[in-house]
Amino acid sequence: DVKVTQSSRYLVKRTGEKVFLECVQDMDHENMFWYRQDPGLGLRLIYFSYDVKMKEKGDIPEGYSVSREKKERFSLILESASTNQTSMYLCASSLPWGFDLNSPLHFGNGTRLTVT
Amino acid sequence: DQQVKQNSPSLSVQEGRISILNCDYTNSMFDYFLWYKKYPAEGPTFLISISSIKDKNEDGRFTVFLNKSAKHLSLHIVPSQPGDSAVYFCAATPFGNEKLTFGTGTRLTIIP
Repeated sequence: DVKVTQSSRYLVKRTGEKVFLECVQDMDHENMFWYRQDPGLGLRLIYFSYDVKMKEKGDIPEGYSVSREKKERFSLILESASTNQTSMYLCASSLPWGFDLNSPLHFGNGTRLTVT
Repeated sequence: DQQVKQNSPSLSVQEGRISILNCDYTNSMFDYFLWYKKYPAEGPTFLISISSIKDKNEDGRFTVFLNKSAKHLSLHIVPSQPGDSAVYFCAATPFGNEKLTFGTGTRLTIIP
């Protein structure tokens, strides 16, 4: 069974702090994603990585960066946290397209980040 | 620019009846569609998918219908059960693209 683990369930940070959100998957998936979920806006893609050290911007990358030094780990970095980054952050992983069409994305349980 | 829209933020259905969740999309490049279900404090889990070469896909109590000309898909749950109470997200992507575009979600409540 695929397991995607996000290191923190809840996080409270102050405006201007540098914040790291960590995600680890145990299924040797090539692809990893960071989404944020906000009421009325659904899930929006922040960044996507299709291989170690490779990354692509999603729909809302501003204010974020990512790091993928190892295949199983994908980190989201808020360089200088702001109150509008208060949200639920969801990490996901998947195989390359076509390998697992029956279950394309496997999500972690999320990190609820509050920036005060 | 919301390319995938779920116009009903919430829906309440009696246990045993049919639940119908709707989703509209604007991007004509989308040709693979998925539904995910999310319980509180958990990540979304995959429910069912459909590609644009089909207009219907069934999996047990869940059926997804696709109307390409109307750019509309719907999820039918029959019969609805209390455990179906959750937030449902539809998602879409061009075939071969791993990056899914999600809708805003519909909170389904099944009334016992």
